[in-house]
Amino acid sequence: KQEVTQIPAALSVPEGENLVLNCSFTDSAIYNLQWFRQDPGKGLTSLLLIQSSQREQTSGRLNASLDKSSGRSTLYIAASQPGDSATYLCAVARSGGGADGLTFGKGTHLIIQP
Amino acid sequence: KAGVTQTPRYLIKTRGQQVTLSCSPISGHRSVSWYQQTPGQGLQFLFEYFSETQRNKGNFPGRFSGRQFSNSRSEMNVSTLELGDSALYLCASSLGGIPYEQYFGPGTRLTVT
Repeated sequence: KQEVTQIPAALSVPEGENLVLNCSFTDSAIYNLQWFRQDPGKGLTSLLLIQSSQREQTSGRLNASLDKSSGRSTLYIAASQPGDSATYLCAVARSGGGADGLTFGKGTHLIIQP
Repeated sequence: KAGVTQTPRYLIKTRGQQVTLSCSPISGHRSVSWYQQTPGQGLQFLFEYFSETQRNKGNFPGRFSGRQFSNSRSEMNVSTLELGDSALYLCASSLGGIPYEQYFGPGTRLTVT
């Protein structure tokens, strides 16, 4: 059974810093990995999707990398802003179909101090 | 393009009652998936519907059921509510289903008293 772990569970940094969020998964047979952000009491907003054949994806100040063989992904946020404060979730989709849906980590709760 | 919409946004029910939640996907999307989010268990997959057929199902009891209509709108039903069913219920739509990119709605907050 796939398990997804996100470290750290919480992170608080001053505005302007670059930071890295980590995601690891136990089964490397994935189709893709998706990063989301969730604001309190709200739904999920898709940030980046990396296919299993890709190494990284970039969108603005965000860069996500994927190392399928080691079961790891990182989300790099450059020049952090208070508006980046949210919970960040990573989710993997299994190869061969969606029988298990997306498997999510518990998230990293990020606070950017002004 | 309008995003995924869910109604109602908030619900309070009593133990033993049943509840129906609704999800309207992004126009053109044929897949709708449902997830339950709780502080203890995080996000857990309930089921996925594609072109009116349940294609995948998570590990939830039979009290949780769903359906999808010809216009791709989906409903989720929970019968005989228990206190532990209190959660944020999220639906996601996508063009081709899992594992294609998922777009989530704002969720329905269900409180069971």
